[in-house]
Amino acid sequence: DADVTQTPRNRITKTGKRIMLECSQTKGHDRMYWYRQDPGLGLRLIYYSFDVKDINKGEISDGYSVSRQAQAKFSLSLESAIPNQTALYFCATSRDPGATQYFGPGTRLTVL
Amino acid sequence: DQQVKQNSPSLSVQEGRISILNCDYTNSMFDYFLWYKKYPAEGPTFLISISSIKDKNEDGRFTVFLNKSAKHLSLHIVPSQPGDSAVYFCAASGGGGSNYKLTFGKGTLLTVNP
Repeated sequence: DADVTQTPRNRITKTGKRIMLECSQTKGHDRMYWYRQDPGLGLRLIYYSFDVKDINKGEISDGYSVSRQAQAKFSLSLESAIPNQTALYFCATSRDPGATQYFGPGTRLTVL
Repeated sequence: DQQVKQNSPSLSVQEGRISILNCDYTNSMFDYFLWYKKYPAEGPTFLISISSIKDKNEDGRFTVFLNKSAKHLSLHIVPSQPGDSAVYFCAASGGGGSNYKLTFGKGTLLTVNP
């Protein structure tokens, strides 16, 4: 079984809709992260959480919010989706800040 | 400001030969470097890492070299295999107020031809 799972794997939505992407992990890591990948731009950090009570903005947090429901669960929400949020979204976990991160399989989101 | 740069968007090599992927960084506070491999429709997979106290780390066919004075690291794959065809991301972390995060390069697409 995968250590980091993401649901859904693919999602098509319309402009203005609210959507939630979910991430679960069985690695027992306290640190969790949300990234987006755009063609030619690498991976950019959206939000990160060092424990259940800790939420921090990354470099591109505008238009997104997160919820850390438990050590194992970290959700990303788009309150009102727009087309330029079309991207691949990855969740990751790590044991320590700045240490090796382990990624989920990704969610391909398309906003029409 | 791009702190981690992979200047070659793509690289093509023959099976059995060496693949060399390069990465440059600008932040002298970085002290931990990683390489990830990514296949289509999958998340990035950790491949190998190196701490700034070392200049080389080897794991099977994969070796990472770090040249701190040049702020340059490279990943060598010997011998290259068709299954190595993927996008490779260089990442760095450490130092100052940014030690919570990994900074990624834009990736290099490696194609290993049979």
